[in-house]
Amino acid sequence: DADVTQTPRNRITKTGKRIMLECSQTKGHDRMYWYRQDPGLGLRLIYYSFDVKDINKGEISDGYSVSRQAQAKFSLSLESAIPNQTALYFCATSDLHGGEQYFGPGTRLTVT
Amino acid sequence: AQSVSQHNHHVILSEAASLELGCNYSYGGTVNLFWYVQYPGQHLQLLLKYFSGDPLVKGIKGFEAEFIKSKFSFNLRKPSVQWSDTAEYFCAVFFTGTASKLTFGTGTRLQVTL
Repeated sequence: DADVTQTPRNRITKTGKRIMLECSQTKGHDRMYWYRQDPGLGLRLIYYSFDVKDINKGEISDGYSVSRQAQAKFSLSLESAIPNQTALYFCATSDLHGGEQYFGPGTRLTVT
Repeated sequence: AQSVSQHNHHVILSEAASLELGCNYSYGGTVNLFWYVQYPGQHLQLLLKYFSGDPLVKGIKGFEAEFIKSKFSFNLRKPSVQWSDTAEYFCAVFFTGTASKLTFGTGTRLQVTL
């Protein structure tokens, strides 16, 4: 069983639509992260959360919002999707400050 | 600003060839270092990590990496690659301090031919 799961795995949406990507983990980690991956750019951090009451912006948070509903759940929302948000989105968790991060399988989002 | 550089964007090797992928970072403070691998269609998996101690670290599947502090480098090596090593490889550096975060390089796509 996967420790970090993401839903949906693939999504096609239209410009202007609101969309939510969900992440759940069974690792018991406090720290959770959202990244986007673009070809040639690697992974860039969107938002991160060190516990349920702690939410922080990453390097590319504009156009995104997050919700940490519980220790195990961290959702990423695009309030009004635009085509340049087409990317592969990964959720990750870690238990230590500066430690290894464990990644989910990714969500491939296409905005038309 | 802290940054991570992977200079090889696309590497093509024949099976049994030796591999070395470069990773450099710009920061003089304490760092934790990682190499992740992403096989086609899969999520990132940890290959190896360095926090402290012996600068030569061994990971899974025969990979190793050497931390050279004076060169701000953490290069990944494998003596003999296999076709199954075809994947994208990411170096990641955790920079400690007031803006502690994990920063990824842009990745190196490795293609191993038979």
